[in-house]
Amino acid sequence: NAGVTQTPKFRVLKTGQSMTLLCAQDMNHEYMYWYRQDPGMGLRLIHYSVGEGTTAKGEVPDGYNVSRLKKQNFLLGLESAAPSQTSVYFCASSYDGPGARYQPQHFGDGTRLSIL
Amino acid sequence: GIQVEQSPPDLILQEGANSTLRCNFSDSVNNLQWFHQNPWGQLINLFYIPSGTKQNGRLSATTVATERYSLLYISSSQTTDSGVYFCAVELSIGNQFYFGTGTSLTVIP
Repeated sequence: NAGVTQTPKFRVLKTGQSMTLLCAQDMNHEYMYWYRQDPGMGLRLIHYSVGEGTTAKGEVPDGYNVSRLKKQNFLLGLESAAPSQTSVYFCASSYDGPGARYQPQHFGDGTRLSIL
Repeated sequence: GIQVEQSPPDLILQEGANSTLRCNFSDSVNNLQWFHQNPWGQLINLFYIPSGTKQNGRLSATTVATERYSLLYISSSQTTDSGVYFCAVELSIGNQFYFGTGTSLTVIP
């Protein structure tokens, strides 16, 4: 049981380049989240999804786009990378359903992204 | 937005000592979770505790929702407890989680 898998684990980009981070979960979770973690700070929510085909903005959505075409996958895109987007990105998922509200979040191991 | 404050920001303990970490939040919440981020950066869910008290081995947590705070107790600390402890809260409306800035714990042998 892999849980939450993030791809890639590391990446270096040049300013202006684009890339997509992939998050995959095999727990049949409805909810998925993308966070960024900057040095000395807690995680901040970028975007989230409450089900296949749905997405919503979090606390810091600017400069990012997301898609949830399949329930098990949540993609985070950077269209034109900027140095301010250098960060560690975490994906998480949680289950939600009748009688099972507010289940704990399960996190991937993170993606370290550096933008030069 | 909601303010989530954790204290202390840094803590150094001798192995075997006990400690209490605190999380204060500024609004009513539906969900509160404690996480441990180990030195390798992995985030592990410790407790889902919107109210009441829970225990898991040497760790326990108490949330007093009406007074807007939660406490994480670590007893008989071990070097493997080192890392950063985060609390995260979900507001009564919506599905967004807000993290505190964490307590960095170092347990020395």
